[in-house]
This record gives sequence, structure tokens and C-alpha cells, in this order.
Amino acid sequence: GAGVSQSPRYKVTKRGQDVALRCDPISGHVSLYWYRQALGQGPEFLTYFNYEAQQDKSGLPNDRFSAERPEGSISTLTIQRTEQRDSAMYRCASSLYGRRGPPEQYFGPGTRLTVT
Amino acid sequence: AQSVTQLDSQVPVFEEAPVELRCNYSSSVSVYLFWYVQYPNQGLQLLLKYLSGSTLVKGINGFEAEFNKSQTSFHLRKPSVHISDTAEYFCAVSGYNQGGKLIFGQGTELSVKP
Repeated sequence: GAGVSQSPRYKVTKRGQDVALRCDPISGHVSLYWYRQALGQGPEFLTYFNYEAQQDKSGLPNDRFSAERPEGSISTLTIQRTEQRDSAMYRCASSLYGRRGPPEQYFGPGTRLTVT
Repeated sequence: AQSVTQLDSQVPVFEEAPVELRCNYSSSVSVYLFWYVQYPNQGLQLLLKYLSGSTLVKGINGFEAEFNKSQTSFHLRKPSVHISDTAEYFCAVSGYNQGGKLIFGQGTELSVKP
């Protein structure tokens, strides 16, 4: 079946503009995670949802970052007033609900954001 | 809070040689442990995971890892590597009752040469 998809795959934006990154999880997956990966670094947790409820947003760097998943499926990560330091690969992952330990997270291909 | 340290940023190795990629973690709570692989221009793929039970876990593509609680380590090994194993490898932890969020290490770039 289809995996996790993300769009756009590449986004170049000017400093100060808002951007919206989309994640389409695997059908039936309850949990959805957002990570950010700077060049040469490991992914860094941003936030996650179970169904439509945002469970943990402790990784969002500041209030310019927000995420939503209004119908418990597709999610959007929005960055307002982008800055050059926001340039990174933004990765989304989804998983089934884990009753006994965390289930496998399936990662999308990522959105490469470049802020000029 | 958890943190993960991958002790080698780059590991060059010849084809058919054994390899070990080292990972240490620190956590104030019990954790689950993972290794992910990222091939060039692709997303991350789970190699293996330790949840409980036997400390030696086997994953895909002939990889295995051993959980050592006293040394807080989870090193990844393969007895004989192939050119196709060239990729970036990430160690990650997830704390109990933390919803599955993953804390990743910096990554180790494995380069297999003929």
C-alpha cells in the first residue's frame, strides 16, 4: 500500500514568509509525528498527534511553529515569518497505536525547506 | 529527558569486513531502543528495535544489536558488510510512557568500499 507522503518535497521561500508543510500518513495510522533534521544531524522531535489530538508539542522551537491534524488524518506543520535558521529537512512519520511498547514509525521522504 | 550519543560520525570499512556502530544513551526513565537506516535520498527505515526480553536483537539485512543496561549501550553489528550497506545509521531511544516520540543520535555514516 501507499506509504507516508509529504508535500511539497522541496520548498524555497523568502525570509518572513509563512509556509505550510503537509503530511499524509498511512491509512489507519493513529499516531503522527513531526521531526526536523538539520544537515549532518539526527532528526529532532517537534510534536505528535494521536488521532486529532496534539499530545506533545514540547519540541516546537517557538511560537512561530504550529501543527494541526483536524480530522485525524492529514497534518499540516506551519511556520510563520520564516527565518534562515528554519532551513532543514522536515520529516513526518506515522504509526499504529501501540499497546505494548511503541510501534514502528514509518517515515515519509521529507520536505526540504530552504529560507533565503 | 533522554539523550543519545553515536560515538563515530563516519565509519569506513571494506566489503565483507565486520562492522560495529556504537551508540550510548542516557535517560532518567526506562527506554526502548531503535536503529534506523537512511539510504541516500530516501526516508528513514527501521532496522531493529529492543523493547524487552532478550538483549540480543536481530534486524533486517543481517544486522543485530545488543542492549547493555549497565553500560547504557546499544551497539549495532554486522559480521560481513556489502556495498549496499552504505548509508547513514541512526540510533534512537523512546522513553516509557512518552507516546513513542523518538530521540535520535547524530548519525553514523557507514561507507563500504570494494
